[in-house]
Amino acid sequence: NAGVTQTPKFQVLKTGQSMTLQCAQDMNHNSMYWYRQDPGMGLRLIYYSASEGTTDKGEVPNGYNVSRLNKREFSLRLESAAPSQTSVYFCASRTKHRTESSYEQYFGPGTRLTVT
Amino acid sequence: KQEVTQIPAALSVPEGENLVLNCSFTDSAIYNLQWFRQDPGKGLTSLLLIQSSQREQTSGRLNASLDKSSGRSTLYIAASQPGDSATYLCAVPNNAGNMLTFGGGTRLMVKP
Repeated sequence: NAGVTQTPKFQVLKTGQSMTLQCAQDMNHNSMYWYRQDPGMGLRLIYYSASEGTTDKGEVPNGYNVSRLNKREFSLRLESAAPSQTSVYFCASRTKHRTESSYEQYFGPGTRLTVT
Repeated sequence: KQEVTQIPAALSVPEGENLVLNCSFTDSAIYNLQWFRQDPGKGLTSLLLIQSSQREQTSGRLNASLDKSSGRSTLYIAASQPGDSATYLCAVPNNAGNMLTFGGGTRLMVKP
């Protein structure tokens, strides 16, 4: 199992450009998430998908769109990038904990995005 | 709104020391609490998940405890090693279990 994979690893954009961050998981998890991590702000949830075909806003959704393409893939799109979107973006998926009474999240390696 | 705080923000210790990292949360109605490790420039690795019904969970040299009533969790690292140097994050889910709230992390450096 590769776990949660993300592409690209690094990206530099100019203000106003668009791009899509890709995420895939091979663990057959239902729920997937996009977070951003900023110094002093910690990790914050952008969007999540509880199951294939559904998406919901998290704490900081403005400026982003998502697509749950199928059970494996969950993409994050920046339509018109802004310097405030310079961040490290993490994708995660969720499964039931081995004890079956709780859930546990697994994270990808991250995409480091700089918007100039 | 749940708030999660980790103290200290940074910690530097000599190799071999036992150490405790602290995590506090404002809403004690949690399902579980998860501890993660993050190496510089890398993603998060899940270390331990402690259920709300548990008081502690152990994995190797790591031991996590949970006191829901006081809104606190501690991560105990025994006999620290330079390879333990990383940022340690705690996180708790919301009531629906679909959103994690993270603490700001503790950046640990273990000196040889």
